[in-house]
Amino acid sequence: EADIYQTPRYLVIGTGKKITLECSQTMGHDKMYWYQQDPGMELHLIHYSYGVNSTEKGDLSSESTVSRIRTEHFPLTLESARPSHTSQYLCASNDPGREQYFGPGTRLTVT
Amino acid sequence: QKEVEQDPGPLSVPEGAIVSLNCTYSNSAFQYFMWYRQYSRKGPELLMYTYSSGNKEDGRFTAQVDKSSKYISLFIRDSQPSDSATYLCAMSAGNQFYFGTGTSLTVIP
Repeated sequence: EADIYQTPRYLVIGTGKKITLECSQTMGHDKMYWYQQDPGMELHLIHYSYGVNSTEKGDLSSESTVSRIRTEHFPLTLESARPSHTSQYLCASNDPGREQYFGPGTRLTVT
Repeated sequence: QKEVEQDPGPLSVPEGAIVSLNCTYSNSAFQYFMWYRQYSRKGPELLMYTYSSGNKEDGRFTAQVDKSSKYISLFIRDSQPSDSATYLCAMSAGNQFYFGTGTSLTVIP
C-alpha cells in the first residue's frame, strides 16, 4: 500500500485566489510528480521533481509552481485560480526506474 | 501518434466473466509496464507491474507483456462487481511515465 497523502481532498474556491495543494510521501522516493486529470480523460503531467531542489515543468504547467525543499514534501501552488483550473490533481512518486504510486487526489473547483 | 493507445470502452461484462484489457505502444524503449485501477473520484491504485516480456500473475489478475508486438494485456478472472472501475495502463523508459486514457469496466451482478 502506498504511503502518499494529499490535502485537501476537496476544495471549492473563488477566482483569483492563491491556493496550495499539499503532497507528502513517507516512502523516501526521490521522484515526485503532479498530474491533472479531468473526468474520463488522460493524465497530464504538470510538474515533476527528481530530488530536493530539483523541479521541472511538464506538458501542462498550468500557471502553477512547485517546490521541493524536503524529500517527502512536494506542494503545488496556483498563484491565481481560474475556472479553467477546475480538475482533479494527482500527486505521485517512485524510486528511479520503478513503479509509480499515486495519492488519493485533490478535487478542485474554481467558481 | 500517441505513445500509448488504450481502448476507452466502456466494457460491460457479467459477474464471473474473464475480462481482457489491452494497450499498445510505439516506443520500443519502454521497459517498465504497469496497470492501475481507478475508482470514480479516487487516485489510481497500482495493481500490477512488470519489467519484461512474459506473464505475471497475482490472484485473479494476470499481466502480460509482448515487447515484440508492443502490446500489453491485463486479464481478470472470475470478475466481481467490485472490479467495476477504470483501468489505466502505464509504461516508462526511465524518468517519464506514459499513460493510456483508461478503459471503463462494469461488472454486472
